Amino acid sequence: GENVEQHPSTLSVQEGDSAVIKCTYSDSASNYFPWYKQELGKRPQLIIDIRSNVGEKKDQRIAVTLNKTAKHFSLHITETQPEDSAVYFCAASKGGSYIPTFGRGTSLVVHP
Amino acid sequence: SAVISQKPSRDICQRGTSLTIQCQVDSQVTMMFWYRQQPGQSLTLIATANQGSEATYESGFVIDKFPISRPNLTFSTLTVSNLSPEDSSIYLCSVWRDQETQYFGPGTRLLVL
Repeated sequence: GENVEQHPSTLSVQEGDSAVIKCTYSDSASNYFPWYKQELGKRPQLIIDIRSNVGEKKDQRIAVTLNKTAKHFSLHITETQPEDSAVYFCAASKGGSYIPTFGRGTSLVVHP
Repeated sequence: SAVISQKPSRDICQRGTSLTIQCQVDSQVTMMFWYRQQPGQSLTLIATANQGSEATYESGFVIDKFPISRPNLTFSTLTVSNLSPEDSSIYLCSVWRDQETQYFGPGTRLLVL
């Protein structure tokens, strides 16, 4: 089955800096890569996703890049703010009826 | 998006008892999922619940311990049976929308004493 590795497990940045979280996947048939943000005590929520037919997608301060050849994808957060502090999960899926496989999560702390 | 509610939001239970968690979705969905999230850990899929068929359990999870019901397309229950302290965790239900987008319920925090 699919295996998703996520790094780093913890990330500490100063407000205004950029943060990058990286994930690798093992199944070359995976074609859908969502990212979830989970604030303390709350449910995971989808913040951005990318499909295998594009290499990059942006939404304001958040961007995701995908390298299909290397089988890795990354989440980029620019101009970080304290409210970006949360646990971020990546996932990979083959779409259709295939259930996404989640990474282990990255705890991001943005210091004011 | 999807509006998902869970009951109870939290509970404290004695070992050996059982807890049933309810999940309600605002519209019909084919597949519902149950996840466990232990403190500081990732999301571990327990089982997939399809209406009208037996739930499909992931490796390490069995029906006797985690019986699931799916009586209709908007509702499911997960029971955690014969509770032990190791079952203390957050249990989340989830549904699929828009082909693959996954939405999560608010979770049920279980503490077993």
